[in-house]
Amino acid sequence: DAGITQSPRHKVTETGTPVTLRCHQTENHRYMYWYRQDPGHGLRLIHYSYGVKDTDKGEVSDGYSVSRSKTEDFLLTLESATSSQTSVYFCAISGLAGRDTQYFGPGTRLTVL
Amino acid sequence: DQQVKQNSPSLSVQEGRISILNCDYTNSMFDYFLWYKKYPAEGPTFLISISSIKDKNEDGRFTVFLNKSAKHLSLHIVPSQPGDSAVYFCAAQASGGSYIPTFGRGTSLIVHP
Repeated sequence: DAGITQSPRHKVTETGTPVTLRCHQTENHRYMYWYRQDPGHGLRLIHYSYGVKDTDKGEVSDGYSVSRSKTEDFLLTLESATSSQTSVYFCAISGLAGRDTQYFGPGTRLTVL
Repeated sequence: DQQVKQNSPSLSVQEGRISILNCDYTNSMFDYFLWYKKYPAEGPTFLISISSIKDKNEDGRFTVFLNKSAKHLSLHIVPSQPGDSAVYFCAAQASGGSYIPTFGRGTSLIVHP
């Protein structure tokens, strides 16, 4: 199994509070991604990173920001959580874009009340 | 607009029979396709892939077929086993683009003993 951990694994928070999710890898992979999974929507890309300090938006980036100060860590921040951000969040890594499969973390279940 | 479509949200199959999961895409730039499998409370894991230069790729009980003219691919599982019960995601990538995969919404497969 690829070395990817996510923390926390579960979180309950209140509307309007800031939340940060962490993804940590031990594979030294260049690319890191944040997805959310919702019923009927599959996996939707929030943000991704193609190197330290290099990030770009995905299809559902509104309300989220990311940072990558080290190869191994990719942080996802909800500046002011809303109930619509209740979801399961997955981090993924890949060594190369294109012909490279992604390895996913175990997920973080976030509930915003 | 969805570029990768999995039109069957669920599929139920008897153990030992064939499972066929379908995926359609609209972007003609996609040239690499992957299937991921996801169990509850876990992250997706890579299952099998196919390049557009092929029309079939086989790995044990799993075979993926690609029909480029129809922009259609299918995953065949023969014989199906109860442990195959999971959500299956189809994903597509384009060499000429950002390489970031686009996922379908998934098909939930249930294999009955």
